[in-house]
Amino acid sequence: SQTIHQWPATLVQPVGSPLSLECTVEGTSNPNLYWYRQAAGRGLQLLFYSVGIGQISSEVPQNLSASRPQDRQFILSSKKLLLSDSGFYLCAWSVRSRGVEAFFGQGTRLTVV
Amino acid sequence: GDSVTQMEGPVTLSEEACLTINCTYTATGYPSLFWYVQYPGEGLQLLLKATKADDKGSNKGFEATYRKETTSFHLEKGSVQVSDSAVYFCALRNVFGKGTKLTVNP
Repeated sequence: SQTIHQWPATLVQPVGSPLSLECTVEGTSNPNLYWYRQAAGRGLQLLFYSVGIGQISSEVPQNLSASRPQDRQFILSSKKLLLSDSGFYLCAWSVRSRGVEAFFGQGTRLTVV
Repeated sequence: GDSVTQMEGPVTLSEEACLTINCTYTATGYPSLFWYVQYPGEGLQLLLKATKADDKGSNKGFEATYRKETTSFHLEKGSVQVSDSAVYFCALRNVFGKGTKLTVNP
């Protein structure tokens, strides 16, 4: 069966520090991968998605970047965190087909102080 | 572009009450529609889905019907339980509604 792992679960980082959140998927090949941010009262915002190694699409301009160094690994990064980067970050995957459901990781609660 | 508008909460109900959470959408083509549920401190889980017009998705007593004529996918449950307390998201493709927080009191 397929599983998705996302870590860490919680993170407190000072303003200006770097960020690296990692997500890995097991039990499937060639998945579509996604990073979402959930902020209070604003729902779920798609940040990045990837259809293959090295292929990243950004949905919104921001202080964050994403990389996919391996087929089932998706990394969210920042060189210098801002207070506004605080939120709940969710990684997700779906099979490479349109109109199918996504499977989510447990999320990372990031607090920038 | 695609968009999803769902009823904003929070919604507070007593156990065994009826639930309806409204969801309407705009989309190109005829995408599959989804309802996800998020329990406190967790990621989202698929609750139900419908892949074409007039399909009814159902799971755990929840139902939603894909209405092309009204571009709607309302979530319903006839008798809610305390364990249904969560945030519910309507979605199509990669687009999610803002979520509706449901609290069910005993």
